[in-house]
Amino acid sequence: KAGVTQTPRYLIKTRGQQVTLSCSPISGHRSVSWYQQTPGQGLQFLFEYFSETQRNKGNFPGRFSGRQFSNSRSEMNVSTLELGDSALYLCASSSRDARRGDTQYFGPGTRLTVL
Amino acid sequence: AQSVTQPDIHITVSEGASLELRCNYSYGATPYLFWYVQSPGQGLQLLLKYFSGDTLVQGIKGFEAEFKRSQSSFNLRKPSVHWSDAAEYFCAVGVVGGSQGNLIFGKGTKLSVKP
Repeated sequence: KAGVTQTPRYLIKTRGQQVTLSCSPISGHRSVSWYQQTPGQGLQFLFEYFSETQRNKGNFPGRFSGRQFSNSRSEMNVSTLELGDSALYLCASSSRDARRGDTQYFGPGTRLTVL
Repeated sequence: AQSVTQPDIHITVSEGASLELRCNYSYGATPYLFWYVQSPGQGLQLLLKYFSGDTLVQGIKGFEAEFKRSQSSFNLRKPSVHWSDAAEYFCAVGVVGGSQGNLIFGKGTKLSVKP
């Protein structure tokens, strides 16, 4: 079974631009979570989607948004990019609704650099 | 508040030596616990997980972890380290969803392996 895939793997943008990242979960998984990873803050939760509904949202500004499609694929969007948005963005999928007992499987990440 | 502490930021061990990475958690209920490993520029790979039952859990790549409720710990061990084990290791506790998401991560321990 194929793992979680994320595209693109690398992105370079300039301040003020917007960006869209994509995540395809493991086949059959209906829950997708997004995380931002930076050297200073570590792994921080962005949001979680299950069956096209956002279930949880982390403490990020409204510039960060996401959605999930009927095939469970998910996208996240960051508008008006800031230098501090440079990070590795990780997507994770799980088979159920990612309640605390369900295992999350991570993709390789998208490295976003904002210049 | 729920939290995970990995006291060691960086550990260096010699190849063939034993390894123990420490993890302490704070959670009000019975925890679901995970260890993930991350190679540079890559996503997180699940090493092992504890949900219930036997407190000694076996994982991939020869790793094991022991859950000790009295010490609120879930330390990761390996009897003989290989050069390919050099990576960053993250301990996480599964929580009921919220603004922190369904997984709360420690800050990670970077493992270096000396030849």
